[in-house]
Order: sequence, then C-alpha cells, then structure tokens
Amino acid sequence: AQSVTQPDIHITVSEGASLELRCNYSYGATPYLFWYVQSPGQGLQLLLKYFSGDTLVQGIKGFEAEFKRSQSSFNLRKPSVHWSDAAEYFCAVGAGGNKLVFGAGTILRVKS
Amino acid sequence: NAGVTQTPKFQVLKTGQSMTLQCAQDMNHNSMYWYRQDPGMGLRLIYYSASEGTTDKGEVPNGYNVSRLNKREFSLRLESAAPSQTSVYFCATGGAGARGYTFGSGTRLTVV
Repeated sequence: AQSVTQPDIHITVSEGASLELRCNYSYGATPYLFWYVQSPGQGLQLLLKYFSGDTLVQGIKGFEAEFKRSQSSFNLRKPSVHWSDAAEYFCAVGAGGNKLVFGAGTILRVKS
Repeated sequence: NAGVTQTPKFQVLKTGQSMTLQCAQDMNHNSMYWYRQDPGMGLRLIYYSASEGTTDKGEVPNGYNVSRLNKREFSLRLESAAPSQTSVYFCATGGAGARGYTFGSGTRLTVV
C-alpha cells in the first residue's frame, strides 16, 4: 500500500534562512507527488506537483521540490524563508483510482 | 471564483446527535472526497466518489455515511456523533492526475 513519511513534525528556521522539508514515499510504480500548504484555519493549497520529466519542479511562492527515485524522496526547498511561510506542509502521493495519500505534516515556524 | 464550498464552518454536537456536512464544487470534476484531519495524523480519507452515483469507503469510514447527490454535491452524514469524531473535515475535488486536489476551507466539528 502507498504511504508517505514526513520525518519532521516541527521545524523552526530563522527568517531569511534556507528551508528543506523532507518527504519519503512508498509506491510500487512511478508516483504522482504533491506538496500542499495549510495556513492556520485554512484549507490546503497546492504548492507544486511532479508527474514525470524534469525531477526538479518549481511551484508557487518560491518553493521547489526534487524527486529522487533512488531515495524515494520528494523534498521541498526554499532558498530564503519569509515570516508568511509559517504554516503546516503536507506531502502526498497519488494512489490508485485518483486517491491521494497524505503524510502527517510538518509544522514550520519562522523566527525573526 | 471556482472552487469547493463547505458548510457549516463550525459545529458543536452532543454525543448521539446527527448532522450532515455539505460540500459543493463548481469545477466540473467527477471525483469528490471527504477527509478528516487530526493533529499528527495528517489527512485520512473517509469516503470518496469517483463519479455521480458511486461512492466508496476510504481508510476511516466507520460512523459515517455519504451521498453523491449530483455531480456538484457530496454530503457527509454522522448518524450518531461520538467524541472520537471531533475533527476538522475537508471536502476536496479533482484527482491524482494533472490537477491534484482542490480543497474546501473545512468544517471544524466538536462532539461533547
């Protein structure tokens, strides 16, 4: 069965510092991979997605993610974090039948 | 704006009471989903509907029922609410393909 692991429950970074959020997945075939962001009290917004082709994908708000098949990873990165990036981030893998399986989430705190 | 509308946004129920969460999408997608979100557990699929007239159980269906009323609307019913159903509920539409999911803003349900 498909699964997603986000090893870090909480991460704190200083404003202006770089960010990397980890995501590992388990899926037998070529995966569809997604990152979503959830601001407090809000729904989830799609940041970026990977289906095929270039393994480095660009998303909204200056985020990017790199698909590494050999490591079953899809880590999210941002070169310089802004205070407004504080939120919870979810990695997801496309399972069969149009369903997504989500990781448990990583809460990002940004300190000034 | 096109999207997913959920009602109500907040609800408090007493144990044993029933209620229906409503969801409507105007994106003309076939697939719709209900998830619940609990701290440290990410999003877990309750039920989904691949098309009008079909529904299927997800990961945590016990205690819930659904109705796909038409292509736009997908409701979630709690027949006899329990404190374990205290959660934030999200409706989504789309798929694991090119679009990914679009989420509603959520319903925060407390069962006392």
